[in-house]
Amino acid sequence: AQTVTQSQPEMSVQEAETVTLSCTYDTSESDYYLFWYKQPPSRQMILVIRQEAYKQQNATENRFSVNFQKAAKSFSLKISDSQLGDAAMYFCAYRSALASGSRLTFGEGTQLTVNP
Amino acid sequence: NAGVMQNPRHLVRRRGQEARLRCSPMKGHSHVYWYRQLPEEGLKFMVYLQKENIIDESGMPKERFSAEFPKEGPSILRIQQVVRGDSAAYFCASSPLGTGSNSPLHFGNGTRLTVT
Repeated sequence: AQTVTQSQPEMSVQEAETVTLSCTYDTSESDYYLFWYKQPPSRQMILVIRQEAYKQQNATENRFSVNFQKAAKSFSLKISDSQLGDAAMYFCAYRSALASGSRLTFGEGTQLTVNP
Repeated sequence: NAGVMQNPRHLVRRRGQEARLRCSPMKGHSHVYWYRQLPEEGLKFMVYLQKENIIDESGMPKERFSAEFPKEGPSILRIQQVVRGDSAAYFCASSPLGTGSNSPLHFGNGTRLTVT
């Protein structure tokens, strides 16, 4: 079974600064997908960014980018120019590519605080 | 295009009562997933359904919990004889048919169940 580990329960960053959230995963599969979701206090789960394991190029979405290290099974999220609205719980998630519609496996989350 | 709709938003039940949580997937989506989030924890997979079929229920507790996704109407997660440990946020997510595992799951806003 796949597992996802987020070793930082809490992180904080100053507004306009950059922060990196860590995520590692364990799998024996070679083809899979990785996601970062954001959960603000409203509880809504919002997709931030996704990465296909077969792509070497790191995904980027505006101020959000990932550092995907397949050999190390690492998938960190970098938030640049942090904004107050970035404050939320961030979850890393894994999804197998072996079968269409397979489940997402989530890490335990990192609570990000943005200080003004 | 409305998102994933869950109701009720909040549900309070006394121990021993039944809880029914509803989820209407996004239009055109026929894959539904249920997740449970205990306080201060990540989302844990419960069950994956397609119309009239349970595809993967490996995350469901063996007793008291059941789920369905009928041909017509919303998906229902049913918890019989609730106990205090069932208090959690329950999230529903949906994805479209046949688009493969790189499609992100679209989440509802969750139902917070409180058992008194």
